[in-house]
Amino acid sequence: DVKVTQSSRYLVKRTGEKVFLECVQDMDHENMFWYRQDPGLGLRLIYFSYDVKMKEKGDIPEGYSVSREKKERFSLILESASTNQTSMYLCASSPGTAHTGELFFGEGSRLTVL
Amino acid sequence: AQKITQTQPGMFVQEKEAVTLDCTYDTSDPSYGLFWYKQPSSGEMIFLIYQGSYDQQNATEGRYSLNFQKARKSANLVISASQLGDSAMYFCAMREGHGRGSTLGRLYFGRGTQLTVWP
Repeated sequence: DVKVTQSSRYLVKRTGEKVFLECVQDMDHENMFWYRQDPGLGLRLIYFSYDVKMKEKGDIPEGYSVSREKKERFSLILESASTNQTSMYLCASSPGTAHTGELFFGEGSRLTVL
Repeated sequence: AQKITQTQPGMFVQEKEAVTLDCTYDTSDPSYGLFWYKQPSSGEMIFLIYQGSYDQQNATEGRYSLNFQKARKSANLVISASQLGDSAMYFCAMREGHGRGSTLGRLYFGRGTQLTVWP
């Protein structure tokens, strides 16, 4: 089975702190994604990557950056956390080859910024 | 404009009854894929069913079927014989293009429908 692992299920940080959310997948997938989920808004794409060191902005990249130094790992970085970044963050991956495009998700990281 | 619209924030169904969750989509790409995911209260996203734009028949997976009406740009999820364990948030999503390459792997998600199954 594909496994996508997010480093922390729950985090509590203070305003202004730098926050790292780590995601690792074990199925050699080319594509990796970071989504943010808020009640009533569904999932919104922050950033995605289709190859090592490559990244593309999603719909809400402001206040976030990402890093993909190895194929299996995709990190989301909040340079200076703010209260409006309190949310559930979902990492996902998918193969880059001919495929339906189904995303495989991690369990999510619930971030609270105080 | 939203690419995926789910107009039902919440739905209620009695156990063993069938329920339809609505989803409409917006794309000008002739090649696309439609997905339904389930998210229980534990938070994980569970893939349920997929329909390709060129698929002639509606997709089915066990108790789940996708009522695909291409002309209406509709991709409703039908759950037959509801079970208490079906209570969850359900998301409709769409991929545009062939799913390969730099920008074609992303999914656009709707806002979700919270389904509650009661005994």
